[in-house]
Amino acid sequence: ELKVEQNPLFLSMQEGKNYTIYCNYSTTSDRLYWYRQDPGKSLESLFVLLSNGAVKQEGRLMASLDTKARLSTLHITAAVHDLSATYFCAVASITNFGNEKLTFGTGTRLTIIP
Amino acid sequence: EAGVTQFPSHSVIEKGQTVTLRCDPISGHDNLYWYRRVMGKEIKFLLHFVKESKQDESGMPNNRFLAERTGGTYSTLKVQPAELEDSGVYFCASSHPLRLGVDTQYFGPGTRLTVL
Repeated sequence: ELKVEQNPLFLSMQEGKNYTIYCNYSTTSDRLYWYRQDPGKSLESLFVLLSNGAVKQEGRLMASLDTKARLSTLHITAAVHDLSATYFCAVASITNFGNEKLTFGTGTRLTIIP
Repeated sequence: EAGVTQFPSHSVIEKGQTVTLRCDPISGHDNLYWYRRVMGKEIKFLLHFVKESKQDESGMPNNRFLAERTGGTYSTLKVQPAELEDSGVYFCASSHPLRLGVDTQYFGPGTRLTVL
């Protein structure tokens, strides 16, 4: 059974600082998603990483994937207040029925302090 | 383009009652998924529809849960009778099959269910 571990669970950081959220998973997968959720809102897709060594960047967020280490990271550069949200990684697996199913990490609640 | 919508946003019911949650996927998305997040736990897969057919319901917790997608458009998830442990946030997601080889799922805002 696929297990996804995400850490930290909670993260408070000052504006302008850098930090990284980690996502480890237990079985082979070549597709990993990062989502963002604001309170009471939908999960918003940030990145989809499709291959080993994939790196994607959008603004102050950069995501990477190492399929050999079964590790993805979400790096935040020079944090600003509007990045405060909960971030989830989700690992895709193909089931016996042929559909893609997502297994989520626990989420990281990020709070940016002025 | 309208996103995935869910109704109601919140529902508070007593143990033993019945609740029906509704999800309207993005128009044209054949794939529809239900997920659930109970307090303090991960978001977990419940089931997957392709059009009106249940493709995978391996995540459904027990037979008190019934999902339908008549006509391949909106879906309902009924819990009958509800138990305390059913409390949580129920998410719906939809995707277009293999658009550009990526099956990105678009999520709704969720329905927060509280069973007292």
